[in-house]
Amino acid sequence: DAGVTQSPTHLIKTRGQQVTLRCSPKSGHDTVSWYQQALGQGPQFIFQYYEEEERQRGNFPDRFSGHQFPNYSSELNVNALLLGDSALYLCASSLNGQPYSGANVLTFGAGSRLTVL
Amino acid sequence: GENVEQHPSTLSVQEGDSAVIKCTYSDSASNYFPWYKQELGKRPQLIIDIRSNVGEKKDQRIAVTLNKTAKHFSLHITETQPEDSAVYFCAASKGRGGGNKLTFGTGTQLKVEL
Repeated sequence: DAGVTQSPTHLIKTRGQQVTLRCSPKSGHDTVSWYQQALGQGPQFIFQYYEEEERQRGNFPDRFSGHQFPNYSSELNVNALLLGDSALYLCASSLNGQPYSGANVLTFGAGSRLTVL
Repeated sequence: GENVEQHPSTLSVQEGDSAVIKCTYSDSASNYFPWYKQELGKRPQLIIDIRSNVGEKKDQRIAVTLNKTAKHFSLHITETQPEDSAVYFCAASKGRGGGNKLTFGTGTQLKVEL
């Protein structure tokens, strides 16, 4: 059973460019959350998708947008990249409506390491 | 919104000693408190969690305690081993289910020395 998978694993962009990151949730999960982890920091919540809609959003500008597809996979898009967007972007999945416990814990992917030059 | 503070930022212990990491949270409505371990270059992985209706939970060498009144919770690792070396994050969440965001602390770099 595959866990959460993300692509690409590493990428380098320049300021002003746009980037798309992809995530496939763990089998059986229907909710996808995205987190940004700057070097030496804890993950910061960007937003969450459920039933193909953004359900919650953290303190991130509109340059950060996303999408969820009918198969529950998700994309994170970042426009007009800034140097400060350099970070590890983590996707996490869970099952909506069920308490976090047992088989339904927030499960992270290995992340996409974005470097903005 | 919720704010989670974590201390210490770095912790060095001798193999076999115990390690304690402490976190405080600000939102009294938070009811779920997981701890994640992140090894260098790897994904965060859940090691233990606790709900607000429980004061303590133990899993082999790892235990977590929760004080709702003081709004703080702690991770205890006994008989530390070199493979325990990693960054540990505490987090807090509120709500009923698996759709709720986690607010993370800033992490503790634990180093277990031989």
